[in-house]
Amino acid sequence: DGGITQSPKYLFRKEGQNVTLSCEQNLNHDAMYWYRQDPGQGLRLIYYSQIVNDFQKGDIAEGYSVSREKKESFPLTVTSAQKNPTAFYLCASSRDINQPQHFGDGTRLSIL
Amino acid sequence: RKEVEQDPGPFNVPEGATVAFNCTYSNSASQSFFWYRQDCRKEPKLLMSVYSSGNEDGRFTAQLNRASQYISLLIRDSKLSDSATYLCVVSHFSGGYNKLIFGAGTRLAVHP
Repeated sequence: DGGITQSPKYLFRKEGQNVTLSCEQNLNHDAMYWYRQDPGQGLRLIYYSQIVNDFQKGDIAEGYSVSREKKESFPLTVTSAQKNPTAFYLCASSRDINQPQHFGDGTRLSIL
Repeated sequence: RKEVEQDPGPFNVPEGATVAFNCTYSNSASQSFFWYRQDCRKEPKLLMSVYSSGNEDGRFTAQLNRASQYISLLIRDSKLSDSATYLCVVSHFSGGYNKLIFGAGTRLAVHP
């Protein structure tokens, strides 16, 4: 089945630890995105990538890093510099940067 | 002021009721408009795009009023399965692409 797969579903991080969230898509989409969702707020864009080997900062990129070495994969690293990492992280993709986005089922990150 | 504003609800309605949500947006240059549905602790899923002429998909009708900068979603004959949070999403050109701006969502609870 075609789709977007995020893993893990739940992730716990210790203080000062970097963690990487996986996002894979087999939809042959060029564009991929990372958002975080906090209670009572709309989704906020962390990073996006229009095409392989290219990515741009979104509105809240501080404390995060990404890579786009393969079209199918757009991993997000939450670094220790991100002081409030507890959130629901959503990866999305679209055929190109101006098409509707479709989401993976998310990763919930919590701090131990 | 938030770029996209929605009444958080909850809207508690009986099965079979008709319910309408509004959403206002602040950027007059917004170009595309969508409604997404998000079930509790799940990812958002595209419900429908919103076109200037208004559009209908089964029990769902979306309207756009550019002059007043609001979007509406009407659900007729509500079903228990319609219970979810409905996200209003607008896009405008920023940083070389049509960036999506998400509202925080309106929660709908349909009861027997």
